[in-house]
Amino acid sequence: DAKTTQPPSMDCAEGRAANLPCNHSTISGNEYVYWYRQIHSQGPQYIIHGLKNNETNEMASLIITEDRKSSTLILPHATLRDTAVYYCIVRPMYSGGGADGLTFGKGTHLIIQP
Amino acid sequence: NAGVTQTPKFRILKIGQSMTLQCTQDMNHNYMYWYRQDPGMGLKLIYYSVGAGITDKGEVPNGYNVSRSTTEDFPLRLELAAPSQTSVYFCASSRGLAGDETQYFGPGTRLLVL
Repeated sequence: DAKTTQPPSMDCAEGRAANLPCNHSTISGNEYVYWYRQIHSQGPQYIIHGLKNNETNEMASLIITEDRKSSTLILPHATLRDTAVYYCIVRPMYSGGGADGLTFGKGTHLIIQP
Repeated sequence: NAGVTQTPKFRILKIGQSMTLQCTQDMNHNYMYWYRQDPGMGLKLIYYSVGAGITDKGEVPNGYNVSRSTTEDFPLRLELAAPSQTSVYFCASSRGLAGDETQYFGPGTRLLVL
């Protein structure tokens, strides 16, 4: 899987948009960008994924640059409950089931300030 | 739709004892996974299964066993508990389809071996 780089921590004011960047300069054409988060003491939670087009769901938006070497996760109206560690993960289109599982790096610790 | 459920939530074991961590999913997913997460660290894959009757080792399988007799259930067995197995254990499942390998996680089981 391609390596990803994320800032270790970020702050965001409650109610504002949180923009979390991720660099994945070695991504290959058949690899997706996935975002998960882990709220303290809970299981990881899937947020969104995409290949090359921008994606939006009820939780967030994912903006992928045209060259696919970086992406940004956007939480449009951050709340205190969005405080968590956010992980950007690059995965092949089909890994055949997961002998390598999901590799969570250190992620970005997003702290939402009241 | 409960998703992925795990029991127990917390357990203290003495060295040498055995126990089974239960995992059930109601999403009819083919793939299931067991991870462990040590404090301040990322997830490590213990075992995974691509369907009933099929299991395989992940990155850290020593000291654990699994079985998959049904699509829904994927129990993890610790035979001789050791302090090194103190960790939080997460079960996950996924459809296992090309283009969508989203994994859905359970709430975790905290295990303390003394």
